[in-house]
Amino acid sequence: DAGVIQSPRHEVTEMGQEVTLRCKPISGHNSLFWYRQTMMRGLELLIYFNNNVPIDDSGMPEDRFSAKMPNASFSTLKIQPSEPRDSAVYFCASSLVGSGVEQFFGPGTRLTVL
Amino acid sequence: DQQVKQNSPSLSVQEGRISILNCDYTNSMFDYFLWYKKYPAEGPTFLISISSIKDKNEDGRFTVFLNKSAKHLSLHIVPSQPGDSAVYFCAAYGNNRLAFGKGNQVVVIP
Repeated sequence: DAGVIQSPRHEVTEMGQEVTLRCKPISGHNSLFWYRQTMMRGLELLIYFNNNVPIDDSGMPEDRFSAKMPNASFSTLKIQPSEPRDSAVYFCASSLVGSGVEQFFGPGTRLTVL
Repeated sequence: DQQVKQNSPSLSVQEGRISILNCDYTNSMFDYFLWYKKYPAEGPTFLISISSIKDKNEDGRFTVFLNKSAKHLSLHIVPSQPGDSAVYFCAAYGNNRLAFGKGNQVVVIP
């Protein structure tokens, strides 16, 4: 069984450009989470979805960040316009509500904004 | 506000000895506590968990202890092996979400 798939694995872009990160959760999972990892703040929850519906986006840092989940097998996190302080590793995770508390993480996307 | 705190960001230990990682939390409503392990260029992977109604859970070389009155948990790895060298994240579960600490880097010296 494939785990959580994220693309791209690495992204280097210039300040002001739009960045789109993609995630495919584990098949059958009904919760999806976007995290950001930085040295200063560790792993922060940005937003999570249940059954494709955004439940809590209070962790999204600014209006420049947006996330969508058009169907159960795909989600995007968009940053527009990107800034150097957005440089971080972004993780997507999925879980199945009711089957335990464990979340399964993808390999992450390392974003560098120059 | 950091609800889950991991101090002592790095730990070095000799192979075969015990590694002890500590974690403190602030919210008494958390239901479960988890430890994740992360290798470079990979996502965190689940290691072990404990329910808030228990004080100990053991899985092979890994044991997690929970002290609810102190809002403190710890992870013991014994004996430590070189493959245990990684970053360890403490996490607390409540309301369908996980709150993570900043992580502890563990280096096991052969």
